[in-house]
Amino acid sequence: AQKVTQAQTEISVVEKEDVTLDCVYETRDTTYYLFWYKQPPSGELVFLIRRNSFDEQNEISGRYSWNFQKSTSSFNFTITASQVVDSAVYFCALSGMDGAGNNRKLIWGLGTSLAVNP
Amino acid sequence: NAGVTQTPKFRVLKTGQSMTLLCAQDMNHEYMYWYRQDPGMGLRLIHYSVGEGTTAKGEVPDGYNVSRLKKQNFLLGLESAAPSQTSVYFCASSLGHETYNEQFFGPGTRLTVL
Repeated sequence: AQKVTQAQTEISVVEKEDVTLDCVYETRDTTYYLFWYKQPPSGELVFLIRRNSFDEQNEISGRYSWNFQKSTSSFNFTITASQVVDSAVYFCALSGMDGAGNNRKLIWGLGTSLAVNP
Repeated sequence: NAGVTQTPKFRVLKTGQSMTLLCAQDMNHEYMYWYRQDPGMGLRLIHYSVGEGTTAKGEVPDGYNVSRLKKQNFLLGLESAAPSQTSVYFCASSLGHETYNEQFFGPGTRLTVL
């Protein structure tokens, strides 16, 4: 069965600190996709990144970076020099394709609430 | 583009009342979804649609009905509201299947059932 675990329920940091949000997944599919979404206090979820199982390159976008490691089934998200505007709930999600090529539904983690304090 | 919009933003119902939540998207997306978000439960899929005129059940469909008569609209109905349906409801859309397509979310509807 597919599963996404975000073990950190809440994280609190002081502005300018680096912070890493963990995402561990379980799947037997060889083709799968991992996502990160951000939900700021305003409530609307915003897509951040998508990774497929065949692309293990790490991704950097400004202060955001993602470390995809198939060996440990993890897709961790790091914010460098955090800012108050980074305060949000961050969700990791997993989907995939079974052996017959059928698309699976998206499985969501429970989210990590990040508070960046001035 | 407005993206995904939801109506209303807030609503309070009494047990047994009915209501319809409206979701509209202007991105010509084929797929649309209704989720509910509850504390400690994350996002749970209620119903979804893979195109105009189609609907399918998600993870928690009981007590809800949906319709997709037009490609740009996806309606979520509560026929007889119950306190357990107090939640924040999100609509989303995607160009293609959620397996590999990002979803675009609406601002949410906060529903309280007394």
